[in-house]
Amino acid sequence: DQQVKQNSPSLSVQEGRISILNCDYTNSMFDYFLWYKKYPAEGPTFLISISSIKDKNEDGRFTVFLNKSAKHLSLHIVPSQPGDSAVYFCAASAYGGSQGNLIFGKGTKLSVKP
Amino acid sequence: GAGVSQSPSNKVTEKGKDVELRCDPISGHTALYWYRQSLGQGLEFLIYFQGNSAPDKSGLPSDRFSAERTGGSVSTLTIQRTQQEDSAVYLCASSPQYSSYEQYFGPGTRLTVT
Repeated sequence: DQQVKQNSPSLSVQEGRISILNCDYTNSMFDYFLWYKKYPAEGPTFLISISSIKDKNEDGRFTVFLNKSAKHLSLHIVPSQPGDSAVYFCAASAYGGSQGNLIFGKGTKLSVKP
Repeated sequence: GAGVSQSPSNKVTEKGKDVELRCDPISGHTALYWYRQSLGQGLEFLIYFQGNSAPDKSGLPSDRFSAERTGGSVSTLTIQRTQQEDSAVYLCASSPQYSSYEQYFGPGTRLTVT
């Protein structure tokens, strides 16, 4: 039973356009959400996060939106750059992080074409 | 500063053999996590340590898997009597005390059981 779902295994976007990566979750106890980016043969790196008390968090070209009623979050990258090509994982944490682990989705592979 | 390091980077072993995977967390990080990523799957939580203790072992797939951490630093994940389904990339992450939200990942160990 997947608690964090990324239904699109891949996404292709033209350089300069917006990339929108989506994530759905089922556990209403999740209170913190993160996006990680992973290049081949490297470990995931933290990108951006959002607390459940907010509906938007922005950091440069990256913005994460949270819709709690829909149990949905999305990552917007604008403008997209070829260096953004990577696998993006959505992750969630419950109980203020005291659970000790993150629940990850299966990832979406983003390809940004020049 | 130095990031999370893992060794070996690649390990090929025969079915039935035991393997040990090592993780060196970021200096000063007291929380340490093990995940694994099987082909086409997301990251699966295995175990985490707060200091030397492991409050949550629920993610370990079977009793063939064990982990320890000594001196609040290096951790080893041991898989006994390896099976082909153990083949995966094993990722270690660490985070500062009291925060599990932003975890810093190592490059992983790719384990192949033949």
